[in-house]
Amino acid sequence: SAVISQKPSRDICQRGTSLTIQCQVDSQVTMMFWYRQQPGQSLTLIATANQGSEATYESGFVIDKFPISRPNLTFSTLTVSNMSPEDSSIYLCSVALRLTYEQYFGPGTRLTVT
Amino acid sequence: DAKTTQPNSMESNEEEPVHLPCNHSTISGTDYIHWYRQLPSQGPEYVIHGLTSNVNNRMASLAIAEDRKSSTLILHRATLRDAAVYYCILRGGGGETSGSRLTFGEGTQLTVNP
Repeated sequence: SAVISQKPSRDICQRGTSLTIQCQVDSQVTMMFWYRQQPGQSLTLIATANQGSEATYESGFVIDKFPISRPNLTFSTLTVSNMSPEDSSIYLCSVALRLTYEQYFGPGTRLTVT
Repeated sequence: DAKTTQPNSMESNEEEPVHLPCNHSTISGTDYIHWYRQLPSQGPEYVIHGLTSNVNNRMASLAIAEDRKSSTLILHRATLRDAAVYYCILRGGGGETSGSRLTFGEGTQLTVNP
């Protein structure tokens, strides 16, 4: 298994500002992902955070809005840029184990944009 | 991604078995069946996965139909702590990155009555 921590756990931000969310894993993992969970809804994959190269974004998500860094195999950041109230969600990072592809999720960052 | 269909909600009584169904009629030969659950205010938690044969672990059992077009997650004795949203997800058997991406549906909200 893997233990994942996220910072901050929650934040309230003003429209037009940016927030960077950190994800730390207790072991080296190749596959790391970022998800969004809007209020009352299921999870939506934002992007795969690739170590040493640009993130791979899913349809509907772009790098200018959600820049991602992955400087090493235990850490990643997701920035939510130029925020609007529609960005109010829980943002979660996850990692997948190499052999079994089981995914382990962080506790999430609850973002409220006013 | 192949699609899964689950009931929106189910109820169970504490200490009784629970059978959570999932239909995946368009499953391909290389798709793995994964189950995750999300307890209130937490990130999703891996439960179990399988390919063709039934699987057991300490959390649950996974029964896979012979034609693989459906599966059932079995909780042998439900507890109040098992109240969660249960997601049945097909994971492609592709390479490391494409094969580890998960597409979450709406899941089944399980209520456990004391």
